[in-house]
Amino acid sequence: GENVEQHPSTLSVQEGDSAVIKCTYSDSASNYFPWYKQELGKGPQLIIDIRSNVGEKKDQRIAVTLNKTAKHFSLHITETQPEDSAVYFCAAWVGTGFQKLVFGTGTRLLVSP
Amino acid sequence: KAGVTQTPRYLIKTRGQQVTLSCSPISGHRSVSWYQQTPGQGLQFLFEYFSETQRNKGNFPGRFSGRQFSNSRSEMNVSTLELGDSALYLCASSFGRGRQEEQFFGPGTRLTVL
Repeated sequence: GENVEQHPSTLSVQEGDSAVIKCTYSDSASNYFPWYKQELGKGPQLIIDIRSNVGEKKDQRIAVTLNKTAKHFSLHITETQPEDSAVYFCAAWVGTGFQKLVFGTGTRLLVSP
Repeated sequence: KAGVTQTPRYLIKTRGQQVTLSCSPISGHRSVSWYQQTPGQGLQFLFEYFSETQRNKGNFPGRFSGRQFSNSRSEMNVSTLELGDSALYLCASSFGRGRQEEQFFGPGTRLTVL
């Protein structure tokens, strides 16, 4: 399959709290999982990615974890700030031979001051 | 380093017309992929071009086509526009063939079909 499911669809947190967004994928051959942040009126911006040879990757307040056995990967944002408010998309490369990037349905994150 | 640029940023067309959108990748990037983004269907892959050849195509009708030039710039064309073609069209570039490489997106072209 080529599905990427993403939850939750909306997430509201207070400034300083942590936010977690979860995704599952169905293609067992997938081995590259990027996360994108899309602000209003802009294209998606790559914020972090992970490859299947690692289980976790961290970049300042953002971390991504991958469980290949369960086909789950998650985005963790700590110490959230109002400027983190945006729509976040997970994605996975799927397919053999010809591959393509399949996106989750997006999570709208709202960080209140 | 300049990012991915797309022109025009906004476009209004009527049903039955055709439209051409342009994408200039990041300098040195040779792969360009196109995506359609709508509230109902989300981000969907249209096609990928590398070295002036279409390498992969998503599940879209033949009205959607594209091409890539020798300088890696790409255009996509939609003929016989339908109301449902209203969307944000995004292009993304990557250094290699897009096969599990980082893709960088442009700001998109907002197409409205009346």
